Amino acid sequence: DAMVIQNPRYQVTQFGKPVTLSCSQTLNHNVMYWYQQKSSQAPKLLFHYYDKDFNNEADTPDNFQSRRPNTSFCFLDIRSPGLGDAAMYLCATSRDPGAGTQYFGPGTRLLVL
Amino acid sequence: TQLLEQSPQFLSIQEGENLTVYCNSSSVFSSLQWYRQEPGEGPVLLVTVVTGGEVKKLKRLTFQFGDARKDSSLHITAAQPGDTGLYLCAGVNGNNRLAFGKGNQVVVIP
Repeated sequence: DAMVIQNPRYQVTQFGKPVTLSCSQTLNHNVMYWYQQKSSQAPKLLFHYYDKDFNNEADTPDNFQSRRPNTSFCFLDIRSPGLGDAAMYLCATSRDPGAGTQYFGPGTRLLVL
Repeated sequence: TQLLEQSPQFLSIQEGENLTVYCNSSSVFSSLQWYRQEPGEGPVLLVTVVTGGEVKKLKRLTFQFGDARKDSSLHITAAQPGDTGLYLCAGVNGNNRLAFGKGNQVVVIP
């Protein structure tokens, strides 16, 4: 059974057109993360939620925002996608912050035209 | 900055051969994780090693954590095409963030 679900798996958007990626979890974990992964690179943390507390990484562009309306769901909003934002976006969860054991979703591949 | 260096970056072997990949750092980690990522998918956790010198086995995969908890290795015995993937090591850094290495891309040729 899927524990971390991401929709859609593939998303195509136009340059500058806002897009939202979604993530849900059935693990009841306290922490949800969003990572960006470009080809042949390691995942890069964008931000995470510990319960309702939002933690933004210092180098995450303002163009990226996130919402967590409840424990199970978390959204990644890209306000004005640029060509450089084309990447795989990974959602992950963990029971506690700072945990090395994180459970990843299958990712959403974003293409910007 | 706690960096994780993985080597080799790319490895191609024939089915049935053995291989070892490495994850090294100059910093001490309280634990290290190994993930495998297949194309178009998210990373899947394989193992967590915690104790220096620890060895964990997962079928044909053997993971070792260095005595000083600065490095780790993954050995695959009799590799199969299903072992093909990107192997990522990761550890929690001083900022309580999971830091990843760049990965070992393994290709097993039938």
